[in-house]
Amino acid sequence: AQSVTQLDSHVSVSEGTPVLLRCNYSSSYSPSLFWYVQHPNKGLQLLLKYTSAATLVKGINGFEAEFKKSETSFHLTKPSAHMSDAAEYFCVVTINSGGYQKVTFGTGTKLQVIP
Amino acid sequence: GAGVSQSPSNKVTEKGKDVELRCDPISGHTALYWYRQSLGQGLEFLIYFQGNSAPDKSGLPSDRFSAERTGGSVSTLTIQRTQQEDSAVYLCASSLSPTDNEQFFGPGTRLTVL
Repeated sequence: AQSVTQLDSHVSVSEGTPVLLRCNYSSSYSPSLFWYVQHPNKGLQLLLKYTSAATLVKGINGFEAEFKKSETSFHLTKPSAHMSDAAEYFCVVTINSGGYQKVTFGTGTKLQVIP
Repeated sequence: GAGVSQSPSNKVTEKGKDVELRCDPISGHTALYWYRQSLGQGLEFLIYFQGNSAPDKSGLPSDRFSAERTGGSVSTLTIQRTQQEDSAVYLCASSLSPTDNEQFFGPGTRLTVL
């Protein structure tokens, strides 16, 4: 079984300040972990993914995430928020189960960026 | 094609009517997934296709929901006798193979049941 917990449903930051979106997971197997972003009325876009290579993963638009097995965390960070970062962010865990990818989404974190 | 496409983008229907939602995956992608995104519920897995067969239908919420895939490509999700609680965004995703862990998502179909 696997699960994903996004600890904050809403995060509000000022433009130019750091962003931290938290994600904890639980999995019986070695997981792959992803962050997706969804802008209003848009589809899901992959930000970055961890698939057992480097634990610090860099993604698009200046985002990065660090896989910490001991803490079962995969928090998303960005040094300086931009207005265009306002969106909903989903943490996702997948495992290879029965020959295909079993995908579990977190409930999402809405990021508000204040000018 | 450039990405996963879904149609219609929006669908408004009356309670009790049947609806069909279509997904065109990326060409060559053998795995196809349907999800439902309800307000405040996050994304809920519905069904997975490998080729034309569906090894995992465990997420379909009731027997009013069904899906098929033909030619290893286009998939249709059908909801019969729609209910107001079926209102949601229905997302389709595809991946190159069942073990490829990156899924590419379509823009979704927003279904509103009045």
